[in-house]
Amino acid sequence: DTEVTQTPKHLVMGMTNKKSLKCEQHMGHRAMYWYKQKAKKPPELMFVYSYEKLSINESVPSRFSPECPNSSLLNLHLHALQPEDSALYLCASSQRQVLSGNTIYFGEGSWLTVV
Amino acid sequence: TQLLEQSPQFLSIQEGENLTVYCNSSSVFSSLQWYRQEPGEGPVLLVTVVTGGEVKKLKRLTFQFGDARKDSSLHITAAQPGDTGLYLCAANPRVIIQGAQKLVFGQGTRLTINP
Repeated sequence: DTEVTQTPKHLVMGMTNKKSLKCEQHMGHRAMYWYKQKAKKPPELMFVYSYEKLSINESVPSRFSPECPNSSLLNLHLHALQPEDSALYLCASSQRQVLSGNTIYFGEGSWLTVV
Repeated sequence: TQLLEQSPQFLSIQEGENLTVYCNSSSVFSSLQWYRQEPGEGPVLLVTVVTGGEVKKLKRLTFQFGDARKDSSLHITAAQPGDTGLYLCAANPRVIIQGAQKLVFGQGTRLTINP
C-alpha cells in the first residue's frame, strides 16, 4: 500500500485566518516532504523532515510552519497568508535509508485558496 | 538554471499515434522517476529507473535511462485519450542532503491525446 493521505482536499482561508494542512502515511517511511505547486508548474520543495526532524527548509516564509508530531504525520500550519500563496500543496514521503531507486510517493494534494 | 530539461513542454497528437518525451541533464543521477499528474491531483509514480541503460515497460509505455544516467525518455505507443495528462520526470542528485532526498523536477510535458 503506497498511500499518502492529505486533508483537507480543498481549503479557502482569509489572510487573517489560521489553518492547517494535514498529511498521514503508514508505509513506515521516515522522510516526509511538503511541496508547493502553482498552476502549470512543477512541484517546488518547501520542507523535508527526516526522522521527525526538520532537515531542509527551502527559505520558506515564516507564515508557513511545518510540524512533524510523529513518524506518520506531517502538518503545515498556515497563518497570515497572501493571495499569491494560493496553490496545490503536496505532501510526500520516502524511506529514510537512501538507496538507489528510493522513491518519493505523493499525496493527492490540498488545494489552498487565500482570499 | 533548470537541472532537468524536459521536452517537449506541450504535445497534442491524435489517438493511435506514437510519441516520445525526453528528460535531459548535464548531471548524473542515482535514479530517475517518471510521474503522471492529472489536474488538481498529486503526481502518481509511473516508474523508477536506476541502472544506466535500463529499459522498463508499463503496458504501452516504455521508459529508458541513459547509459550515463544523465537522461531518460518516455515512449508511448498507440496513444489513447486516457494518456492525457502532465508527465513529470524527477531525479535524485548523487549528492544526497542530510539523508533525505531533494528531488528535482523537470518542467513537465503536457500531453493531450485527441480522439
